[in-house]
Amino acid sequence: DIQMTQSPSTLSASVGDRVTISCRASQSISSWLAWYQQKPGKAPELVIYKASSLKSGVSSRFSGSGSGTEFTLTISSLQPEDFATYYCQHYNADSRTFGQGTKVEIK
Amino acid sequence: EVQLVESGGGLVQPGSSLRLSCAASGFTFANAWMGWVRQAPGKGLEWVGRITSISYGDITNYAAPVKGRFTISRDDSKNTLYLQLNSLKAEDTAVYYCSTDWDGSTESQGAYWGQGVLVTVSS
Repeated sequence: DIQMTQSPSTLSASVGDRVTISCRASQSISSWLAWYQQKPGKAPELVIYKASSLKSGVSSRFSGSGSGTEFTLTISSLQPEDFATYYCQHYNADSRTFGQGTKVEIK
Repeated sequence: EVQLVESGGGLVQPGSSLRLSCAASGFTFANAWMGWVRQAPGKGLEWVGRITSISYGDITNYAAPVKGRFTISRDDSKNTLYLQLNSLKAEDTAVYYCSTDWDGSTESQGAYWGQGVLVTVSS
């Protein structure tokens, strides 16, 4: 099975900061990668799909990049509503695996 | 508006069975690939499995920890997705989410999610 590894596990940042979260796949997944945001007690919400496509209605301060095994989620200017946990997920072939998550905390 | 509403959760004993349902509305359910994801208390997201649409053969795939114990099915006439959980273990305790899976028209994944339903396995 494909393993997904996110880093860091926790990130402390301030409002207005540029934030980058990394996700590495154990083998090539082309661009079949999604990013989700989850707030406490809520269901996850899709932010980015196919590595770099922004879901309709999601703020343009979110962007995704990468292909193959290395991927990045960037928040250009962190806003109060962005403090949450972020997960990457591959959807290559017949399985889907999540990364362990990155919690973005207030510094 | 797309809505996914899970039901059927609760407290069950180890070794028992449970069936979760997910009622879908606001989109053409029969054309949708659907999936289940779970989240143990205080832990991350874990993919459980998915089912393709009937036009792709209603094919199911499962994560290793649940393969052989859990079964995903769908009733397109009722716009409902199911997750049959058998031989439940304490480590199956989690909130179970239903979600849309791969969308061939947009090549997106997981665009819509239900609110989740809690399954607690304990004696």
